[in-house]
Amino acid sequence: DAGITQSPRHKVTETGTPVTLRCHQTENHRYMYWYRQDPGHGLRLIHYSYGVKDTDKGEVSDGYSVSRSKTEDFLLTLESATSSQTSVYFCATSLGSMDTQYFGPGTRLTVL
Amino acid sequence: KNQVEQSPQSLIILEGKNCTLQCNYTVSPFSNLRWYKQDTGRGPVSLTIMTFSENTKSNGRYTATLDADTKQSSLHITASQLSDSASYICVVTSNAGNNRKLIWGLGTSLAVNP
Repeated sequence: DAGITQSPRHKVTETGTPVTLRCHQTENHRYMYWYRQDPGHGLRLIHYSYGVKDTDKGEVSDGYSVSRSKTEDFLLTLESATSSQTSVYFCATSLGSMDTQYFGPGTRLTVL
Repeated sequence: KNQVEQSPQSLIILEGKNCTLQCNYTVSPFSNLRWYKQDTGRGPVSLTIMTFSENTKSNGRYTATLDADTKQSSLHITASQLSDSASYICVVTSNAGNNRKLIWGLGTSLAVNP
């Protein structure tokens, strides 16, 4: 798992509440990514980071924000959760942009 | 439109048998192709990576092939084990200048039965 942890592993929340998911890595990888995985869709990139305080949008970034204040931590925030954001969220890291991505165990989020 | 299509969608085989999973892609410009294995409830784990010039690459009982002309890849699993039960995902990287994008397939769900 390249030393990647995600917290919480499971969360149930209500529509309209803020939610923050945390990804922590011990590999000192420069790149970090947030994906969501839903039935009928391949993994979809939400946001990624290419360094401390350097982030960019992925293909499904609406409704999500991220922050990276330290190399090892990458936070994903849903400012006001909606039912369409019910999903499994994966964090991944890579040494360089073209290198293999290593994935965390995932967070299952349910928005009621 | 960049797409990655995998077949079959699901597959059931008996332990000890071989199987082959397919990946067809329409991605341009092509950079590389990876196969990932995803166990239920866990994140994907990389099995192989293949670049344009590589035809075959093995990782233990897993052998991936790539035909860049026909834009097809396959993953062959030899002497399957119960632990091979998982989803196998094909991912193609497109790299146009500074615009790098990964296009993920939906995966093939493999069940290996005793």
